[in-house]
Amino acid sequence: DAGVIQSPRHEVTEMGQEVTLRCKPISGHNSLFWYRQTMMRGLELLIYFNNNVPIDDSGMPEDRFSAKMPNASFSTLKIQPSEPRDSAVYFCASSPGTPWGNIQYFGAGTRLSVL
Amino acid sequence: AQSVTQPDIHITVSEGASLELRCNYSYGATPYLFWYVQSPGQGLQLLLKYFSGDTLVQGIKGFEAEFKRSQSSFNLRKPSVHWSDAAEYFCAVEVQGAQKLVFGQGTRLTINP
Repeated sequence: DAGVIQSPRHEVTEMGQEVTLRCKPISGHNSLFWYRQTMMRGLELLIYFNNNVPIDDSGMPEDRFSAKMPNASFSTLKIQPSEPRDSAVYFCASSPGTPWGNIQYFGAGTRLSVL
Repeated sequence: AQSVTQPDIHITVSEGASLELRCNYSYGATPYLFWYVQSPGQGLQLLLKYFSGDTLVQGIKGFEAEFKRSQSSFNLRKPSVHWSDAAEYFCAVEVQGAQKLVFGQGTRLTINP
């Protein structure tokens, strides 16, 4: 398996622009997670899905952030409009989604710079 | 609420020396515990996990960790570090029934030649 695939690996944009990050989870995994990593705040869970349904979005910073999972093999995280404080590395992870003992497998991340 | 504390933000050891990274958790029930490693510019990779049974668990790359319920700890150890072990290490606890992980702040490991 190719693992969790994220695109793009790097994104540079200007403040106010829309940014879309993409994630393809491991085939057969039922849960998908979006994280943000910064020096100041560490690794934060933004939202996670189980069977394509958002379960917990309490970590989403504000209304400018939205995430979708239209099918089991694809998810997006969108920021509109983007701001410089959104600059971070965004990780997607997937897991089998069993009731317990889930190992999360991480993608390589998208490094976002908002100028 | 569940929480994970990694007291050491940064540790430096010499190549060949032993290593112990500390992790303490706060969780009411039996925890599921993990250690992940992140190399520069990479995502997180699972080193090892504890679900139940033997409290000393072995992982990849020669790492091991010991679960101590009485101390609410899950410290990571390696007898002899290699320069390639330089990375950031994260301890995490799974919230039972919620499938999500709570991560510690991470410990950055530097290896002196």
